[in-house]
Amino acid sequence: QKEVEQNSGPLSVPEGAIASLNCTYSDRGSQSFFWYRQYSGKSPELIMFIYSNGDKEDGRFTAQLNKASQYVSLLIRDSQPSDSATYLCAVPISSGSARQLTFGSGTQLTVLP
Amino acid sequence: DGGITQSPKYLFRKEGQNVTLSCEQNLNHDAMYWYRQDPGQGLRLIYYSQIVNDFQKGDIAEGYSVSREKKESFPLTVTSAQKNPTAFYLCASRTGQTGNTIYFGEGSWLTVV
Repeated sequence: QKEVEQNSGPLSVPEGAIASLNCTYSDRGSQSFFWYRQYSGKSPELIMFIYSNGDKEDGRFTAQLNKASQYVSLLIRDSQPSDSATYLCAVPISSGSARQLTFGSGTQLTVLP
Repeated sequence: DGGITQSPKYLFRKEGQNVTLSCEQNLNHDAMYWYRQDPGQGLRLIYYSQIVNDFQKGDIAEGYSVSREKKESFPLTVTSAQKNPTAFYLCASRTGQTGNTIYFGEGSWLTVV
């Protein structure tokens, strides 16, 4: 089992729809969870982070965390063509005496005009 | 402006050559990281450094070397021992505070010719 797992997609949604991106992780001790957006050929940029169970909203983005199920998701409301990118989930996973931010393989999202 | 600067952005390497990728940050961050990304894949950790004059191997350190002589600088050398070095290389940094996210440079594209 991968330490951080995402559906690779590709995921296509029409403009204005809700895009739902999912991520599961293996380390029950992880406390913080990050979503990065990466446009083709560019470096990842942070869009959301969440520490507590429940939902966190920031504009059109909502992160949802369920620690019991080891599951974190990202919802994008009113999807725009500019949201077309690869979305990376990142979780600090225990590695020896420290935790290192471990990335999923990403979900490629395409928003169709 | 504060940020992470990687250079060069594009680099071509001949078989058997060592090459060094530069990473400089003026964010006063303690920790610095090098990741490798292959097409359609997530990020894999090569090396990281939590403090000056100390660094640790990540998941795919073979064929790479680093140094951390200054807080601001964390260069990565891709040696001839790295058999498949063509990839997108990302440098990142983070403050020493638990839970803080990492920020990425713009990346360097390395191609073996």
